[in-house]
Amino acid sequence: AIQMTQSPSSLSASVGDRVTITCRASQGIRNELGWYQQKPGKAPKLLIYAASILESGVPSRFSGSGSGTDFTLTISSLQPEDFATYYCLQDYNYPSTFGQGTKVEIK
Amino acid sequence: EVQVVESGGGLVQPGGSLRLSCAASGFTFSRYWMTWVRQAPGKGLEWVAKIKEDGSDKYHVDSVKGRFTISRDNAKNSLYLQMNSLRAEDTAVYYCATDLGYCSGGACYARYDYWGQGSLVTVSS
Repeated sequence: AIQMTQSPSSLSASVGDRVTITCRASQGIRNELGWYQQKPGKAPKLLIYAASILESGVPSRFSGSGSGTDFTLTISSLQPEDFATYYCLQDYNYPSTFGQGTKVEIK
Repeated sequence: EVQVVESGGGLVQPGGSLRLSCAASGFTFSRYWMTWVRQAPGKGLEWVAKIKEDGSDKYHVDSVKGRFTISRDNAKNSLYLQMNSLRAEDTAVYYCATDLGYCSGGACYARYDYWGQGSLVTVSS
């Protein structure tokens, strides 16, 4: 199975900060990657699919980039509602695999 | 309004069986792939299984192969996960999710757009 390695595993940031989360695949996955946000006790929410396409209704401060093995999720100006855990998910082949998650906390 | 609602979770002894159900409404269920994802207490997300629109293709993560089976009944707008030979490490919240998909340039991409609230499965003696 393809391994997805996210970094960092956690970070502390302030409202208004620019935040970058990276995800590295153990082999090339073209652009078959999504990003999900999860808040405590809630189901995940899709933010980005096909590495860079913003899901409808998701604020434009979220963006995704990358192809092959290296991917990035960027939050351009962190808002209070963005404090959550973020996961990447590869769907290049089965089984699909999630990264281990990045918890974004308030500084 | 799109809704997916899981049911069937609970406490089961190691080696036991359980069947999770996911009832879908508000969209044409038979047109979309469906997926199960789980999350052990305090841990990250784990993709478990996925099934094609008509049920003809199914995929399972290695850790559940031979023990879990995903299925669907399009006439009932329902997704299922039959879980046998349960182990303590299967303890988790199980989510069903709709894959609306996106296809472009000859490639198709997963879009897990709609999720249920989750169903807790606890495997313990």
